[in-house]
Amino acid sequence: QQQVKQSPQSLIVQKGGISIINCAYENTAFDYFPWYQQFPGKGPALLIAIRPDVSEKKEGRFTISFNKSAKQFSLHIMDSQPGDSATYFCAATMTSGGSNYKLTFGKGTLLTVNP
Amino acid sequence: EAGVTQSPTHLIKTRGQQATLRCSPISGHTSVYWYQQALGLGLQFLLWYDEGEERNRGNFPPRFSGRQFPNYSSELNVNALLLGDSALYLCASSSLDTDTQDFGPGTRLTVL
Repeated sequence: QQQVKQSPQSLIVQKGGISIINCAYENTAFDYFPWYQQFPGKGPALLIAIRPDVSEKKEGRFTISFNKSAKQFSLHIMDSQPGDSATYFCAATMTSGGSNYKLTFGKGTLLTVNP
Repeated sequence: EAGVTQSPTHLIKTRGQQATLRCSPISGHTSVYWYQQALGLGLQFLLWYDEGEERNRGNFPPRFSGRQFPNYSSELNVNALLLGDSALYLCASSSLDTDTQDFGPGTRLTVL
């Protein structure tokens, strides 16, 4: 059972454009939703994260939009740059009593930003 | 602050052999997580260790096992290797003060 569905599988945008990646989850116990960026040959690196008590979080060119009722969240990359070309993973987890449980990942989106 | 480190970077084994992968968490982090990233299968949770105890394991056979040492470093063992075990094995760590898991660079395991 795939608990986090991510789309699209791949995305090509022009430099300066907006990249949008969407995720949907099923488990309403999830309470922490991070996005990771992974370059070839490297481990995933945390990009930005959100909790369901806010509908939007912005950090620089990266914004997460969160819709709790629809159980959906998305990553927006404004002014996309060639250096943003990477694979992006959404994830979800439960955090309880200070413990951080396993991350459930989406399948990933390969983003290519053309110069 | 040093990040999560993993060794070796690459590991080549043949079918039926055993592989041992190592992970050192960020200083102060007590939880260690192992994930498998196989081609086409995404990132799948393997094991979670906290304070030396196995807290949870993913949908993997008992051939996959591990342990966490008193200094919070961890070891993943894969016995009776199969060709399908070829993957990037990622270790992550976290602490009670953080919501996030920080990942290491991974160990690329190739089974021939």
